[in-house]
Amino acid sequence: KAGVTQTPRYLIKTRGQQVTLSCSPISGHRSVSWYQQTPGQGLQFLFEYFSETQRNKGNFPGRFSGRQFSNSRSEMNVSTLELGDSALYLCASSPGASGRSYNEQFFGPGTRLTVL
Amino acid sequence: DQQVKQNSPSLSVQEGRISILNCDYTNSMFDYFLWYKKYPAEGPTFLISISSIKDKNEDGRFTVFLNKSAKHLSLHIVPSQPGDSAVYFCAASAHNDMRFGAGTRLTVKP
Repeated sequence: KAGVTQTPRYLIKTRGQQVTLSCSPISGHRSVSWYQQTPGQGLQFLFEYFSETQRNKGNFPGRFSGRQFSNSRSEMNVSTLELGDSALYLCASSPGASGRSYNEQFFGPGTRLTVL
Repeated sequence: DQQVKQNSPSLSVQEGRISILNCDYTNSMFDYFLWYKKYPAEGPTFLISISSIKDKNEDGRFTVFLNKSAKHLSLHIVPSQPGDSAVYFCAASAHNDMRFGAGTRLTVKP
């Protein structure tokens, strides 16, 4: 079974631009969660999508948004990029049927975003 | 809010010795705890977990201990191997919520 894939793997943008990251979950998984990883902060939860609906949301500004498609693929968008948005963005998929889906997460390799 | 804390950013041990990674949490609603291992350029991979109804879970060289009264868990790796060198994240979950620590970089020297 193929793992979680994320595209692109690396991205360089400048302040003020917007960016879209993509995540394809493991086949059959319906939940996709997004995390931001920065040095010293660990993994910060952004949001979770299940069956095309946002089920849970972390404490990030509205510049960060996402969506999920009917095939469970998910995209994350960041508008008006700031220098502090430079980070590794990870997505994780899980079967997702229960509120305990976080216990069964499989992570993708991440997208390294650099904002200049 | 740092509900899950890993106070040691790094740890260095000699091959064959024990590695002990620590994690503290503040939210008593957390009832399931996980450790993930992360190599550079890869996503975190699940290592071992423990439910709050247990105080110990063992899987080969890896053992996780949970002290609920102290809100503390630890991961023991015995014996440590150079291939264990990675960043280790602890995570705590409750219904519809999961929080991660900042990670501890473990270096195992040959």
